[in-house]
Amino acid sequence: DAGVTQSPTHLIKTRGQQVTLRCSPKSGHDTVSWYQQALGQGPQFIFQYYEEEERQRGNFPDRFSGHQFPNYSSELNVNALLLGDSALYLCASSLTEGAKNIQYFGAGTRLSVL
Amino acid sequence: QKEVEQDPGPLSVPEGAIVSLNCTYSNSAFQYFMWYRQYSRKGPELLMYTYSSGNKEDGRFTAQVDKSSKYISLFIRDSQPSDSATYLCAMSGWQGGSEKLVFGKGMKLTVNP
Repeated sequence: DAGVTQSPTHLIKTRGQQVTLRCSPKSGHDTVSWYQQALGQGPQFIFQYYEEEERQRGNFPDRFSGHQFPNYSSELNVNALLLGDSALYLCASSLTEGAKNIQYFGAGTRLSVL
Repeated sequence: QKEVEQDPGPLSVPEGAIVSLNCTYSNSAFQYFMWYRQYSRKGPELLMYTYSSGNKEDGRFTAQVDKSSKYISLFIRDSQPSDSATYLCAMSGWQGGSEKLVFGKGMKLTVNP
């Protein structure tokens, strides 16, 4: 049973460019959440997708957008990259069951913006 | 006051020590309490989760939740160098018509051989 997979593992971009990160959820999961983790910090919630719609959003600008496909996989897009966007981007999947929100993480995509 | 508070450490212990990691929280809507382990430059790995108050044991790991004090703990017995990692607490609950999941900042643990 494959866990959460993310691609690519590493990415180097320059300021102003755009980037797309991809995530396949754990088998049986229908919900995908994206997080940004700066060095030495806990994961910060970006947004969550369920039934192909953005269900919740954290405190991130509109430059961060996403999509969920019918097979539950998801993409995170970041436009007009800033140096401060350099971080580990984590995808987590879960099965929506009310208050129970047990999320399983992928290995992450490390984005460096130069 | 932040919803979830976790001492970031770092914490350094000798091999074989009992380790206690703790988090406090302020939101009484939280019902599920999780501990994740994160090795350097890797994604967080779910160690265990508990529902409401009580204890849960899995091998050398024990999670405790005290909802009356809004305090959760993770104990590691007979700690090993391979336990060296950052440990993140996380909590979830239903609030305002949607689920909510909040992480602590993480505590960096080093177990010295």
